[in-house]
Amino acid sequence: GAVVSQHPSWVICKSGTSVKIECRSLDFQATTMFWYRQFPKQSLMLMATSNEGSKATYEQGVEKDKFLINHASLTLSTLTVTSAHPEDSSFYICSAREQILPYEQYFGPGTRLTVT
Amino acid sequence: SQQGEEDPQALSIQEGENATMNCSYKTSINNLQWYRQNSGRGLVHLILIRSNEREKHSGRLRVTLDTSKKSSSLLITASRAADTASYFCASSRNAGGTSYGKLTFGQGTILTVHP
Repeated sequence: GAVVSQHPSWVICKSGTSVKIECRSLDFQATTMFWYRQFPKQSLMLMATSNEGSKATYEQGVEKDKFLINHASLTLSTLTVTSAHPEDSSFYICSAREQILPYEQYFGPGTRLTVT
Repeated sequence: SQQGEEDPQALSIQEGENATMNCSYKTSINNLQWYRQNSGRGLVHLILIRSNEREKHSGRLRVTLDTSKKSSSLLITASRAADTASYFCASSRNAGGTSYGKLTFGQGTILTVHP
């Protein structure tokens, strides 16, 4: 099956710094990728839809200036958490949707972000 | 977006028993999927059921969908200790364009299977 990777798998950063998380579709092209956030013992919440070559679409309540998304190619989307704070500590998961029918969606393994 | 509900929130059973998890959603859907997540890990896709299907099987998994009640259930038969994980339903709405594929996840059920 198709593979989606995320890098890094975990990261610890200091409060006030920025962190970039990469999501790559390894063996297929993805016009659309999705970014989710998951707090401990909770479900996944969609943060934004990343569209190759255009601006991301953010869900209500998600600060677009804090969570910068760039989808510069058909295989790579990045999420940058700017000026991170401890409350941004979470598990960030991306998914990538195939361009062709039936538009299967594949999830990455997630990135654990801890802000100290 | 509002999330659906799942029940029970936690389920503890013995190996060999069946586990049933339920999920409700709020809007009309294109399909509904079930995922498994081991602690601190990524999602594993289990099964997808389309809005025009009522029941689907895959190995020890049986999924039902009742669109009139906006609900779905996942049955795992003859459970094993290795089935211990969190299980999530995720619904996909009838949305076109780039919104196609947006998933709304349920709250999840934590399943513990005791050997």
